[in-house]
Amino acid sequence: DAMVIQNPRYQVTQFGKPVTLSCSQTLNHNVMYWYQQKSSQAPKLLFHYYDKDFNNEADTPDNFQSRRPNTSFCFLDIRSPGLGDAAMYLCATSVGGYEQYFGPGTRLTVT
Amino acid sequence: QKEVEQDPGPLSVPEGAIVSLNCTYSNSAFQYFMWYRQYSRKGPELLMYTYSSGNKEDGRFTAQVDKSSKYISLFIRDSQPSDSATYLCAMSGEDSGYALNFGKGTSLLVTP
Repeated sequence: DAMVIQNPRYQVTQFGKPVTLSCSQTLNHNVMYWYQQKSSQAPKLLFHYYDKDFNNEADTPDNFQSRRPNTSFCFLDIRSPGLGDAAMYLCATSVGGYEQYFGPGTRLTVT
Repeated sequence: QKEVEQDPGPLSVPEGAIVSLNCTYSNSAFQYFMWYRQYSRKGPELLMYTYSSGNKEDGRFTAQVDKSSKYISLFIRDSQPSDSATYLCAMSGEDSGYALNFGKGTSLLVTP
């Protein structure tokens, strides 16, 4: 089945130790997104790519970076994770930007 | 004022009940309206997608959009324990680029 895949599903990292989360999609959608979702909160958009055009939300911390090497893959890099970065990280895709399809998420724990 | 307001619940109903979930919004430019279902520790799953005003039905689910009142609803008929989840409304428009504006989600529990 066509889908959005995220790896790993669970990630534990140490305070300050860089971590990379990955997302791949078989939907061939041109837009990919990274969201952060904390407990009992709505997803918060961090970045999105329209094709290769990178768009950073104004309040996304500099600690977060993203790469999209091709249509199918997108990565989220957290350069120096803090305790406040512990959250579920969601990847989503869409065609054109409105109807978005989410992956299962990566739950990040920072120790 | 937050752009999208949604009562977080929790909402508890007996199996078989009709469930009504609602969101209000303030931005009249919103044209695209979505409902997502999110099970605990999983990603949101797109349930319903509606453009502009009107109703849309899919099985036991009906989505309604009333743009004049800036009010959207999701109805679940014959609710099942497997419907127990958090339901998030989301919306966007031409002026919000590609960002979805989410409600905080309503937690629903359907008891057998």
